[in-house]
Amino acid sequence: DAKTTQPNSMESNEEEPVHLPCNHSTISGTDYIHWYRQLPSQGPEYVIHGLTSNVNNRMASLAIAEDRKSSTLILHRATLRDAAVYYCILDETAYNFNKFYFGSGTKLNVKP
Amino acid sequence: DTGVSQNPRHKITKRGQNVTFRCDPISEHNRLYWYRQTLGQGPEFLTYFQNEAQLEKSRLLSDRFSAERPKGSFSTLEIQRTEQGDSAMYLCASSFPSGETQYFGPGTRLLVL
Repeated sequence: DAKTTQPNSMESNEEEPVHLPCNHSTISGTDYIHWYRQLPSQGPEYVIHGLTSNVNNRMASLAIAEDRKSSTLILHRATLRDAAVYYCILDETAYNFNKFYFGSGTKLNVKP
Repeated sequence: DTGVSQNPRHKITKRGQNVTFRCDPISEHNRLYWYRQTLGQGPEFLTYFQNEAQLEKSRLLSDRFSAERPKGSFSTLEIQRTEQGDSAMYLCASSFPSGETQYFGPGTRLLVL
C-alpha cells in the first residue's frame, strides 16, 4: 500500500495560489515529509520538507496538520513554470539513511 | 554547479542483453541512491550506498540487478538478462551525510524490446 495519497491532477490559474494536499495516515513520529516536483524527462527537484512545524522557503510553504496525518504544499502565486508533477514523500530515517517513499504524484496544470 | 549526472540518458536493448548505467554524484556527497520509475508512477527505492558500502537493497532488486560504488565515487547499476518489465527510468540521487535532501540526476530511460 502507498504510504502517501495525492489527487491525480489539479488545475490552477496563473498568479493564483495553489494548495496541493497529501494524506499520510501511517506516518511515524520520526518521519519527515518532503515535497519534490518533476518535469518531463527530468529527475525530481527538491521543493520543501518538514517534520512537525509549518515551513516556508522561497519556492513554497508546507502546512503540516497537528496530527501529522496530512500536509499541504502551498504555491503562493503559480506561474507557468510551476506546471509539473508534485510528489509528496515520506522520509523514514532508518539505519542512518533517509529512505524515501514517493506517492503517485499530482500533475499540476497552470492556465495562463 | 555540477549536479548529479547519469549516462547514458537513453538506452534501447533487446531482451536478454546486459546493460550498465553510470551515476556521478555531487562530489561532496557520500550517500548515493538508485531508484526506478515506471510510467505514471513515483520513483521506487532500489538501493543505497554510504561511501563504497552498499547498506540497503530493496526487494525490487532481483538477482539480475547489481550495483557497485568503487572507491565511494561514481556508481554503476547493471541489469543482466534484461526483460521487458525492466523498461523504466532509472534515477540516481546523492546527498550529504546529514541526508535529508536528496539531489537527483536526470535519469537513464531504458527500453527493452
